[in-house]
Amino acid sequence: DQQVKQNSPSLSVQEGRISILNCDYTNSMFDYFLWYKKYPAEGPTFLISISSIKDKNEDGRFTVFLNKSAKHLSLHIVPSQPGDSAVYFCAAVAGSYQLTFGKGTKLSVIP
Amino acid sequence: EAGVAQSPRYKIIEKRQSVAFWCNPISGHATLYWYQQILGQGPKLLIQFQNNGVVDDSQLPKDRFSAERLKGVDSTLKIQPAKLEDSAVYLCASSPRLEAGGSNEQFFGPGTRLTVL
Repeated sequence: DQQVKQNSPSLSVQEGRISILNCDYTNSMFDYFLWYKKYPAEGPTFLISISSIKDKNEDGRFTVFLNKSAKHLSLHIVPSQPGDSAVYFCAAVAGSYQLTFGKGTKLSVIP
Repeated sequence: EAGVAQSPRYKIIEKRQSVAFWCNPISGHATLYWYQQILGQGPKLLIQFQNNGVVDDSQLPKDRFSAERLKGVDSTLKIQPAKLEDSAVYLCASSPRLEAGGSNEQFFGPGTRLTVL
């Protein structure tokens, strides 16, 4: 039973355009959501997070939107750059402090 | 500030052999995690330590996997005997402390890629 789902295994976007990565979850107890970015042969690195009491959090080119009623969040990258090409993982936290990860979406930004 | 260190980076063994991975977390981080990431999947938590005590090991296959963090700093994860399905990247992560209601941002090491033949 996958509690965090990233249904798009891959996404290709032109440089300068917007990248939108989606994530759905099923557990209503999740109270924090995080996005991690992973390059090959490296560990995941934290990108941005959002509390369940908010619907938007912005950090530079990265914005995360949360729709609690739909149990859906999305990561927007504007403008996309070739260095953004990586695998992006959505993760969620409930009270036990464990991170539950999705399967990831591979983003390719084409110059 | 140095990041999370892991060794070895790569390991190839035959099934039924044993293997051990080492992790040194970020200095001062009380909480340490071991994850297993199978190809095409997200990281799955195996075990979580707070200082030298186990917080959660519910997803650790205890018949073959063991982990310890004796002095509350470095940690080792062992597999004995290994099976083909253990082929994965083993990630170690650390965080400053468990924080109720917090985002629990974790800092990951580069991982150890294990191949079991």
